[in-house]
Amino acid sequence: ETGVTQTPRHLVMGMTNKKSLKCEQHLGHNAMYWYKQSAKKPLELMFVYNFKEQTENNSVPSRFSPECPNSSHLFLHLHTLQPEDSALYLCASRGESGTDTQYFGPGTRLTVL
Amino acid sequence: DAKTTQPPSMDCAEGRAANLPCNHSTISGNEYVYWYRQIHSQGPQYIIHGLKNNETNEMASLIITEDRKSSTLILPHATLRDTAVYYCIVRAQGGSEKLVFGKGTKLTVNP
Repeated sequence: ETGVTQTPRHLVMGMTNKKSLKCEQHLGHNAMYWYKQSAKKPLELMFVYNFKEQTENNSVPSRFSPECPNSSHLFLHLHTLQPEDSALYLCASRGESGTDTQYFGPGTRLTVL
Repeated sequence: DAKTTQPPSMDCAEGRAANLPCNHSTISGNEYVYWYRQIHSQGPQYIIHGLKNNETNEMASLIITEDRKSSTLILPHATLRDTAVYYCIVRAQGGSEKLVFGKGTKLTVNP
């Protein structure tokens, strides 16, 4: 257990569905991240939040919409996804500046039909 | 962030030490060496990190050469549950938010 939880662990959705991924960290961290890991590809950073403010968006399509209501929770809202969006979506958190260690959740395995 | 080079795969017998090498010959003075591992279809797990001194924690030891151009992650008594892809990452503290995971080393621990 890393102190970062993600739900659901598995999700199957159609291209017209709307769904949300949830991440919660119990570490008292102030930075949270969404990463995408497609099959046989390295991790891709999607979004970064520091103190609830989005500080990085790596050219992610608008069909992915993040939300960070507080420092402990992070959501990824999904709408009209494509089959190529099927991947493992990982959430991570990091503590105070001065330490760069990111702690990852178990991931949500998303399949878009 | 400096580039790292790792062997694509290694095997280790259960109960023996696993020594995973990493070359980072272009490392800068303010860059740390981080190790993560990823067990199939799970999130990456932080293992250890260091700047220039050797480090040890409950999971592993990190040996960094004096010139800092290479390092070795040591799992002292490998178990089957240590089978995973191990990533060596070099990055400066306070640098880009993005962790750059290369291809890593696939470690297989055999019974």
